[in-house]
Order: sequence, then C-alpha cells, then structure tokens
Amino acid sequence: QSVLTQPPSASGTPGQRVTISCSGSSSNIGNNNVNWYQQLPGAAPKLLIYSSNQRPSGVPDRFSGSKSGTSASLAINGLQSEDEADYYCAAWDDSLDGAVFGGGTQLTVL
Amino acid sequence: QVHLVQSGGGVVQPGRSLRLSCAVSGFTFSSYGIHWVRQAPGKGLEWVAGISYDGSSEYYVDIVRGRFTISRDTSKNTLYLQMNSLRAEDTAVYYCARDAVPLRFYGVLTDLNADYWGQGTLVTVSS
Repeated sequence: QSVLTQPPSASGTPGQRVTISCSGSSSNIGNNNVNWYQQLPGAAPKLLIYSSNQRPSGVPDRFSGSKSGTSASLAINGLQSEDEADYYCAAWDDSLDGAVFGGGTQLTVL
Repeated sequence: QVHLVQSGGGVVQPGRSLRLSCAVSGFTFSSYGIHWVRQAPGKGLEWVAGISYDGSSEYYVDIVRGRFTISRDTSKNTLYLQMNSLRAEDTAVYYCARDAVPLRFYGVLTDLNADYWGQGTLVTVSS
C-alpha cells in the first residue's frame, strides 16, 4: 500500500491527452513539492516534472504537472507511442521524515 | 557529463551484509545530496535513504532504519549504502540518484527531486 495513490493503469491513442492523478495528504503533497518520474522498461527512472509543475530541460512541453491541495496530476498532451512507460509521483512526507512514491501508473498507447 | 556508476550488487544470504557503491563524476560531489531508491522485481519504486550534501543529515525509510547506513566519501567522490541483516524482502534493483538542488538550505534533503540516476544494481537476498 503506497502512501501516494495513483491509478494502476491509463491508456490513450496517439495525439490524445491523458492525465494521471496522484492523491496524498497534508503531510506530503499538501505541504511539499511533487515530482514525477517516467520509467521505460528496463531503464532507470527519469525526472519528468519537479516542484509540482516545472519541466527539466529536455523534457517536451507536452508534459505538464499541477497540484491542488493534497492532490497532483500529470498531463500528457499529444500522446506519442514513445510515451508508453510507467509513471510515478513522489513527494517528501513530513510525518515519515522520508520520501514516498505513488504505486505507479502503467501508460499504454493504443 | 554527469555520471553515477554503481557497483557492489550480487547474491547474499539472509542475515548477511552487502555494501553498494555509487561513484560520481562530472559535478562537485560535495555540493549535492544523494538518494538511494530501490525497485523489487515487478514492483514500483521505493525510496530507501538519503544524505545531505555535507553529510550532516541522513534519512531512512522505517523498514531499513537501523539495518542500512548511507555514507559519503568526498575524497573518493563515492556514495555508499551499507546493508546489514539483509532480508528476502530487500531483494531489488537499487539506484543512486543525485538531488537536483545544490547546497540545500541548512543541509536538509526534504525533496525527492533527483535529476541524474545510476544504472542500478541488483541485490538478491536468498539462501
């Protein structure tokens, strides 16, 4: 049972917009930055979004993040086949004094 | 070019110890905090431990606290994870990852904003 809750799966067709939600509490998302990671099969995770809505250089602007209260979401516009991957949200948890991940969302491009 | 190169994984019996290493290059090691994150086979990511840029603060997930120790050797540009009293449930691919923000205020590391990752090393705990 992950501290942050994500849907286990999501899907979309090429060109579509897909959103992935991440639900937490006041001790994590509600009071700290949310970061999103993309993990392709067999690869290390890659930072996709930091500080809830900032993109590292090199990440396409098709990816965006937002946060409201104790929830966050990742949006992917113009879905492409190479976006097929696992996506994880992460945040610091003040009560646990450690970082926590969501359970991950497996994105399928149909 | 930033690189984090990991070593030290392998097969170990329950109750034994193992030390993972993460050798870094391409940036000023003493200015960045580092995290360890693991992934059990077929499972999601789990944060394990973190250490501030100056080594003054260490953080652990509860299930490894008291068994694992994170440390850093600035003279060798290397991060370590000493893992003692290993259990079957510690079986995972372990990643080291650099905190994206240098010289965090007061040396805290209360953010999992990790911009560069090692290649991962597999630890298998089995008799």
